Amino acid sequence: GQQLNQSPQSMFIQEGEDVSMNCTSSSIFNTWLWYKQDPGEGPVLLIALYKAGELTSNGRLTAQFGITRKDSFLNISASIPSDVGIYFCAGQLGAGGTSYGKLTFGQGTILTVHP
Amino acid sequence: DGGITQSPKYLFRKEGQNVTLSCEQNLNHDAMYWYRQDPGQGLRLIYYSQIVNDFQKGDIAEGYSVSREKKESFPLTVTSAQKNPTAFYLCASSIFSQPQHFGDGTRLSIL
Repeated sequence: GQQLNQSPQSMFIQEGEDVSMNCTSSSIFNTWLWYKQDPGEGPVLLIALYKAGELTSNGRLTAQFGITRKDSFLNISASIPSDVGIYFCAGQLGAGGTSYGKLTFGQGTILTVHP
Repeated sequence: DGGITQSPKYLFRKEGQNVTLSCEQNLNHDAMYWYRQDPGQGLRLIYYSQIVNDFQKGDIAEGYSVSREKKESFPLTVTSAQKNPTAFYLCASSIFSQPQHFGDGTRLSIL
């Protein structure tokens, strides 16, 4: 299947620092999603992006849908210990046909925040 | 509370045994999905279902089977044909064109 390249694979930062991660694809997507997963739990939706160029914030999180529709980034400002976890990007082609609702996931970015 | 319930949280399989993972949702979502997660990898789609009594293979369907007899339920069977079943299994659901929401997963191990 399709692959998303997510980077970096892991990050070790100090509390209070800003974080940036991104995803790129060889194919275009109509929707980009960012999820966070805590150990032993399911991913939780952080931000959904529906239009090329869209910039959306959710508290300290900001994400953008790339103009080419082949990339997206997520920024976390002023990190805190509870930001620890695995962050996944996911691309969705959108409704219609056999690709309806299907997500393609990046490999994840493991974030560690030192107090 | 509305949500997606996966059970059991932990499951052990003996060689040659089939096991079934449960996924129930009370969100009135039409679509349901099963993913497999291995360490250091993203989620990979096993099967998905857009409506009752219909389902489609995902990217890694070999060795798995599903059914969708009710809108609320989408059980996954890991058959003995799946030679490397140890993984974290995640169920998700969504309504038309909206993001998927996930359950808390089932961790399957081999005895």
